[in-house]
Amino acid sequence: KNEVEQSPQNLTAQEGEFITINCSYSVGISALHWLQQHPGGGIVSLFMLSSGKKKHGRLIATINIQEKHSSLHITASHPRDSAVYICAADNYGQNFVFGPGTRLSVLP
Amino acid sequence: DSGVTQTPKHLITATGQRVTLRCSPRSGDLSVYWYQQSLDQGLQFLIHYYNGEERAKGNILERFSAQQFPDLHSELNLSSLELGDSALYFCASSEGSRGSETQYFGPGTRLLVL
Repeated sequence: KNEVEQSPQNLTAQEGEFITINCSYSVGISALHWLQQHPGGGIVSLFMLSSGKKKHGRLIATINIQEKHSSLHITASHPRDSAVYICAADNYGQNFVFGPGTRLSVLP
Repeated sequence: DSGVTQTPKHLITATGQRVTLRCSPRSGDLSVYWYQQSLDQGLQFLIHYYNGEERAKGNILERFSAQQFPDLHSELNLSSLELGDSALYFCASSEGSRGSETQYFGPGTRLLVL
């Protein structure tokens, strides 16, 4: 079993749909990062969470420390949201373990 | 634009060779992280430097080494290159030393070993 797992692996949605990407981890963490990787390869950090919930625009990230689970939600999805979304477990900067990524395609 | 720069953007070399990848962090950031992204292994953490000192090592091979200079730029040296070292290499920077903070990623260096 991988230390950080994501589901689904691939996701296709229609523009406007509500999207949820899940991340489960088995390692100890100080924080959980959500990253977005565009088709060109560039990586952008979306959220860094150690507890609770964060919101930025149409994106919402939640984490449940007891259940070792985090979710990334996208409301009113748009084709420009098409990217690979990666979660990463951060252990005080001593180690980072990445999930395999979720490839999202949003169709117009 | 994250403010993190990496050079070169692309690098093509042969097996057995040595290359150096360079990263300049955002102004004010003291931490530099190096990551490798290959098709079969995904993203992997290699090494973390803070203000010139090594802070943590991840899955970095013995053939690879890194350093962070007084001006805070960092270099990743890859030697005795093998076909399997072909990958995207990213650096990222952040302000502090203990992780648990937002990292800003560079555009990456795409390495192809032939």
